Amino acid sequence: GESVGLHLPTLSVQEGDNSIINCAYSNSASDYFIWYKQESGKGPQFIIDIRSNMDKRQGQRVTVLLNKTVKHLSLQIAATQPGDSAVYFCAEKEAAGNKLTFGGGTRVLVKP
Amino acid sequence: DTEVTQTPKHLVMGMTNKKSLKCEQHMGHRAMYWYKQKAKKPPELMFVYSYEKLSINESVPSRFSPECPNSSLLNLHLHALQPEDSALYLCASSLTPGTQGQPQHFGDGTRLSIL
Repeated sequence: GESVGLHLPTLSVQEGDNSIINCAYSNSASDYFIWYKQESGKGPQFIIDIRSNMDKRQGQRVTVLLNKTVKHLSLQIAATQPGDSAVYFCAEKEAAGNKLTFGGGTRVLVKP
Repeated sequence: DTEVTQTPKHLVMGMTNKKSLKCEQHMGHRAMYWYKQKAKKPPELMFVYSYEKLSINESVPSRFSPECPNSSLLNLHLHALQPEDSALYLCASSLTPGTQGQPQHFGDGTRLSIL
């Protein structure tokens, strides 16, 4: 299940199940979106990206969905593994410029 | 392993010290970035360099001074920092400044503690 408290929202998932991480964005001018995974003691690691002219993109065990109408982005992880335990950030970028804006992050805990 | 290398991994300094953080990438990327990340928070942009020139300064206090000596190196000079500056400092790079569809690649950061 998902819980929201004073700290990062946390998604607890059973090993082997699918995970869905959600992200809402507010900038209508954003047209490029990235998902990053950050493990403890490491920097953000690129997972998958999507441009606004697409609504779905698939990678290895991951799928990103983009709904521009409601400004919503999601990351689906298939057959979640213990190594998927990390904090996941969405990030958005406008067409012009180099500024990447990060969402608040979601912690994923995989239970064996 | 990340292709963006940051040194040192950890740094403890007093408020009167001067130190520098270093970042290096050999991917031919021409945009480089400094971010600050506090615990349980997302990275916050500090500076952007495009083609070795400072293009964005997100109103960062002058006690942080960035420098880009060449297309592979990025430094962050620190002087007279405050305890609230303790954080993880992340460097990132991307291929072509201003071009859409190119993700930023991050180093593992320098964990900075100000005494």
